[in-house]
Amino acid sequence: EAQVTQNPRYLITVTGKKLTVTCSQNMNHEYMSWYRQDPGLGLRQIYYSMNVEVTDKGDVPEGYKVSRKEKRNFPLILESPSPNQTSLYFCASSFGEGQTRYEQYFGPGTRLTVT
Amino acid sequence: AQKVTQAQTEISVVEKEDVTLDCVYETRDTTYYLFWYKQPPSGELVFLIRRNSFDEQNEISGRYSWNFQKSTSSFNFTITASQVVDSAVYFCALSEAGGSYIPTFGRGTSLIVHP
Repeated sequence: EAQVTQNPRYLITVTGKKLTVTCSQNMNHEYMSWYRQDPGLGLRQIYYSMNVEVTDKGDVPEGYKVSRKEKRNFPLILESPSPNQTSLYFCASSFGEGQTRYEQYFGPGTRLTVT
Repeated sequence: AQKVTQAQTEISVVEKEDVTLDCVYETRDTTYYLFWYKQPPSGELVFLIRRNSFDEQNEISGRYSWNFQKSTSSFNFTITASQVVDSAVYFCALSEAGGSYIPTFGRGTSLIVHP
């Protein structure tokens, strides 16, 4: 089954404790991205990657890191989480060529709470 | 800069009513893509439709229809004979073809369909 998976789905952590949210897709997609969703703000892109070893900042990259060492994986790293990073996070992927690169498949979401 | 406005924060209807969700966008690009996504209470994001800027044909898919009007920069979504299962948050989004793949999402419209 074609899908984007994220782990963990739920995470409660404390300020300053480094964490990683994993994202994996099995569709051989070139393009992957991370979003955060906050009430009243919709979805905002954090980082995106157009292919292996190619990443770039989205609208709200501060406080986050990403890496793309393999095509299928795109982990999101919070080196020192803060309460304002409490949010619902989505990973997404799409093909990198033509118009289909704009059709993104989303993971199920990770609800992160930082206390 | 691109912008998507969903002025309706929440809409409440009774089952079998028709309902239209508004989406107004701003972009300087002549080639762009518009999307609608559905987020049911379970939280996942479901892709509904992509429309290219050079294709103003309206689209119908079952009870769903989309009206794209470049003259008013709108891409409205109508659900005919709404059902309780249509209850969800709906997001409109815009990607500019010449841009950096960063899509802009509206803040979403919460649709509540009462039995």
